Amino acid sequence: SQQGEEDPQALSIQEGENATMNCSYKTSINNLQWYRQNSGRGLVHLILIRSNEREKHSGRLRVTLDTSKKSSSLLITASRAADTASYFCATDGGKAAGNKLTFGGGTRVLVKP
Amino acid sequence: DTGVSQDPRHKITKRGQNVTFRCDPISEHNRLYWYRQTLGQGPEFLTYFQNEAQLEKSRLLSDRFSAERPKGSFSTLEIQRTEQGDSAMYLCASSPQGTGSYTGELFFGEGSRLTVL
Repeated sequence: SQQGEEDPQALSIQEGENATMNCSYKTSINNLQWYRQNSGRGLVHLILIRSNEREKHSGRLRVTLDTSKKSSSLLITASRAADTASYFCATDGGKAAGNKLTFGGGTRVLVKP
Repeated sequence: DTGVSQDPRHKITKRGQNVTFRCDPISEHNRLYWYRQTLGQGPEFLTYFQNEAQLEKSRLLSDRFSAERPKGSFSTLEIQRTEQGDSAMYLCASSPQGTGSYTGELFFGEGSRLTVL
């Protein structure tokens, strides 16, 4: 079963625009991670935010986490055609849960040149 | 460091046949995970190993599925008597969990895509 929902399911933007996607989850977490997947390929880790953090930046990525609302958002600024991919949030339930990741359904992002 | 390697990348089989996938994790990664991903969905957890010990299996892993990691290095995932519903991408991931280099992220292979006709 999947931990959470991602919104929107699909997003189409012009190059240079920002892309924002949201993730909601259900149970307590140790950390939340975002991964990217190009069509037919494996997942690539983008960024991890711990449960005691509220915001984190990495290059053109900005992640927020609101544990009271059990939600997170990923912002990609100044998008490029190469950012076209599916983006997944994944929650880590901690050592008691085997540190396995539980993924959402993903947001499919299309960046048009 | 060559990353996580999965073989084969693609497998087409007829219903009822057995298939086996292999995963070679990053060397010295003690944790190895298997996930299944169907088209348009996120990956779903199947099972994971700590070294050679299989510590957890999802309810998704029916009796027709078996996974092994005999020497704590590579792992195999076997599906017996395949069904059309088994068609999916099977993803392997590894991590150095519990070691000084563990950051929390999983390192994924490119996946093995199974098509059952």
